Amino acid sequence: EVQLVESGGGLVQPGGSLRLSCAASGFTFSNYWMHWVRQAPGKGLVWLSRIDSDGSSTTYADSVKGRFTISRDNAKNTLYLQMNSLRAEDTAMYYCARWMVGNEFDHWGQGTLVTVSS
Amino acid sequence: QAVVTQEPSLTVSPGGTVTLTCGSSTGAVTSNHYPYWFQQKPGQAPRTLIYSTSNKHSWTPARFSGSLLGGKAALTLSGAQPDDEADYYCLLSYSGARVFGTGTMVTVL
Repeated sequence: EVQLVESGGGLVQPGGSLRLSCAASGFTFSNYWMHWVRQAPGKGLVWLSRIDSDGSSTTYADSVKGRFTISRDNAKNTLYLQMNSLRAEDTAMYYCARWMVGNEFDHWGQGTLVTVSS
Repeated sequence: QAVVTQEPSLTVSPGGTVTLTCGSSTGAVTSNHYPYWFQQKPGQAPRTLIYSTSNKHSWTPARFSGSLLGGKAALTLSGAQPDDEADYYCLLSYSGARVFGTGTMVTVL
């Protein structure tokens, strides 16, 4: 069974850092591009970043470029999102999703909640 | 970064048909934007219905279809059911980056 399980969320002060993880199982993780998406409470979905299957290419939304870093460890079947200089507006549920031609965004995690507040 | 616009809300009668659209601030939406459509219900993760304009996943009900219509991406729901009441988001690709639409809340009433 394909599973994506996010972790690492929690309460952090403005200006702080947090690293999110997305543990993958049930499929060949190294074959898939991976994406991070977030959703602030009561708001819409926002695409954040993607990484290709071997980690050699990444892309970011303008809103997080320079503050967030996506990475992966294919040996550990894990995707990461390093978030620095966090702001109140980064408060959201953070989801990971997998992507491959023909299996596009076919599985999502259940999300991890990040709250940025003093 | 591009802005992707959807209708804020739409209402459809049970058994009726409704079309949601997805427009781009950069101009006409084409197949090169690889439009996606997602359904999200309260407290749940999004679920992909349509990818690359009109392709369906195995779980996508036949009553959903994707297309390009008048310079926008479109999601048509034919024969709406109460279970289709949800938020719907499109996603467009811009040379590697992706941008979600503003979302449409669909009410079946």
